[in-house]
Formats: sequence, C-alpha cells, structure tokens
Amino acid sequence: EAQVTQNPRYLITVTGKKLTVTCSQNMNHEYMSWYRQDPGLGLRQIYYSMNVEVTDKGDVPEGYKVSRKEKRNFPLILESPSPNQTSLYFCASSFARADTEAFFGQGTRLTVV
Amino acid sequence: QKEVEQNSGPLSVPEGAIASLNCTYSDRGSQSFFWYRQYSGKSPELIMFIYSNGDKEDGRFTAQLNKASQYVSLLIRDSQPSDSATYLCAVNMENTDKLIFGTGTRLQVFP
Repeated sequence: EAQVTQNPRYLITVTGKKLTVTCSQNMNHEYMSWYRQDPGLGLRQIYYSMNVEVTDKGDVPEGYKVSRKEKRNFPLILESPSPNQTSLYFCASSFARADTEAFFGQGTRLTVV
Repeated sequence: QKEVEQNSGPLSVPEGAIASLNCTYSDRGSQSFFWYRQYSGKSPELIMFIYSNGDKEDGRFTAQLNKASQYVSLLIRDSQPSDSATYLCAVNMENTDKLIFGTGTRLQVFP
C-alpha cells in the first residue's frame, strides 16, 4: 500500500530534550516536506527536500533541522524543543515538485512542556 | 496580506445544496492550485487540482480558477453530511518549490 508513515503519532517531551520525528514514504517520491498545523494559522511549511541531499527552508524553519540521506526518509529533528513548538506535524511527499499532489502522513501531535 | 486567504467559516449548508468555497492568493504568477479536504483529527487529502483558467469538474466537485482576479473556488454539488470537513486551498507560488496553504474553511452540511 502506497503510504507516508510518521512516527511517533503522539509525543510529550520536556523543553530542551532533543527529539526526532521520522517520516518514510514507499512511493519513490522525490519531493518531501514537513508542515506544522496550528489553530488559526493553518498548515505552514517547515522544510522541504527536492531530492537526496537537497533540502531548503520553508516558511517557519527556526528551531528545526532535517536531513535527506535516502530518498524514502526525511526525518525532522528538534535539537532543543521549546513550548512554542507544540503543534501537529505532518510529513508529505510528492512525485516530483510542489506542483503535484501531496500525500500526507498520519500526523504527529507533539507537546513540549 | 496573507499569501493565500480563505474564510474560516463555518459555512453551513443543508444536505443537497451547493457549497461554495473561495480562496484568494497574492502571487499573480502562481500556476498550480489545489483543494485538500481534512476531516477532524485526520491528515489532508487531495480533492482537486487545477492549473488553467476556467472550470474543472470531477464528480460532485468543480474547481474554478480565475487568474486575472487571483481567486480559486471549489463547488460541491449535492452536499452530503459526509462532506463536513475543513477544506484547504493550496497554491504553488511562481518560481518556488513551496506549497502555501490557506487556513482552511470549515464546512458543515446538516441533514
């Protein structure tokens, strides 16, 4: 089954404790991205990747890191999480570019206390 | 001005009616436009995409694009309670690899 898989689905952590949210897709998509979704603000793009070893900042990259060492994986790293990073996070992948259909993972609800 | 704007709603329509959802965007050079549906607690899923001016129909859904006026709309005919969700407009800005989402319009279809 074609899918984008995120883990974990739910995470509660403390301020400053490094964490990684994993994202994997099995559709051989080149384009992958991370979004956060907050009430009243909608989906905002954090980082995106056009292909292996090619990443770029979205609209809200501060406090986040990403890597794309393999085509299928695109982990989101929070080196020192803060409470303002409490949000619902979605990973998405597209066949080629941002102008093609995006397939979303199930979401990760992160709470930083 | 926000790059992609939508009325947050809720938009309430009776079952069987036409629901009309609107979206405006700021980048005149944008080329690709998408409508995603998001049920509460779920991830967004693509409903329609449109690249050219005019109408594009798919079943009960019609996307309308007017680049001169910088708006894109989604019509849902014969609305069903199962259509109750938040509808997200997304735009690929010209010469970027970013996809910008609006904040979404919540649609409620009542029996």
